[in-house]
Amino acid sequence: ETGVTQTPRHLVMGMTNKKSLKCEQHLGHNAMYWYKQSAKKPLELMFVYSLEERVENNSVPSRFSPECPNSSHLFLHLHTLQPEDSALYLCASSSLGNEQFFGPGTRLTVL
Amino acid sequence: GENVEQHPSTLSVQEGDSAVIKCTYSDSASNYFPWYKQELGKRPQLIIDIRSNVGEKKDQRIAVTLNKTAKHFSLHITETQPEDSAVYFCAASRNNNDMRFGAGTRLTVKP
Repeated sequence: ETGVTQTPRHLVMGMTNKKSLKCEQHLGHNAMYWYKQSAKKPLELMFVYSLEERVENNSVPSRFSPECPNSSHLFLHLHTLQPEDSALYLCASSSLGNEQFFGPGTRLTVL
Repeated sequence: GENVEQHPSTLSVQEGDSAVIKCTYSDSASNYFPWYKQELGKRPQLIIDIRSNVGEKKDQRIAVTLNKTAKHFSLHITETQPEDSAVYFCAASRNNNDMRFGAGTRLTVKP
């Protein structure tokens, strides 16, 4: 399953750190997504990029900053996170209006 | 925005029995309803989807039904097997950019 890849797979960071999550899709899709998965909210849509433009930001705190430099790459920049931000962050991609394919996720722990 | 509710949260069945998971949605404009299966430690993967112009769709042991009037849709798994054990998520969207997921159902199939 190499259509959507994410790095790193695991990340431990302190509250004052700055880190970035990376997602790459090799499926020729034109939309990419960030989801947060935790015990409290199993699959929570964070950001959507369609044709490289952000189309939705579900009231996500500004300490999460997405970047989509092209249709194949998506980043999530993290800055001064809180322990409650610890979760699995999943990236997905799709052709507009069709099935979303998920990456393996990054397991983030904020100390 | 869309709100998706999913029931039950946990479901335990005996191997060979059927399993049914139900979801309701709030946005009457939603027209795409996928179901994802997430095995422990793995990414969510699409198992079946249905669009609003169809009332039922079947793929081997899996079927989905949609009632647009009542705004609910269901996943049916027949002749369950231990490898069907996983968390199942329903979702609803208008154009795939606003996908909202249910809270998930943890299905356990006992041998």
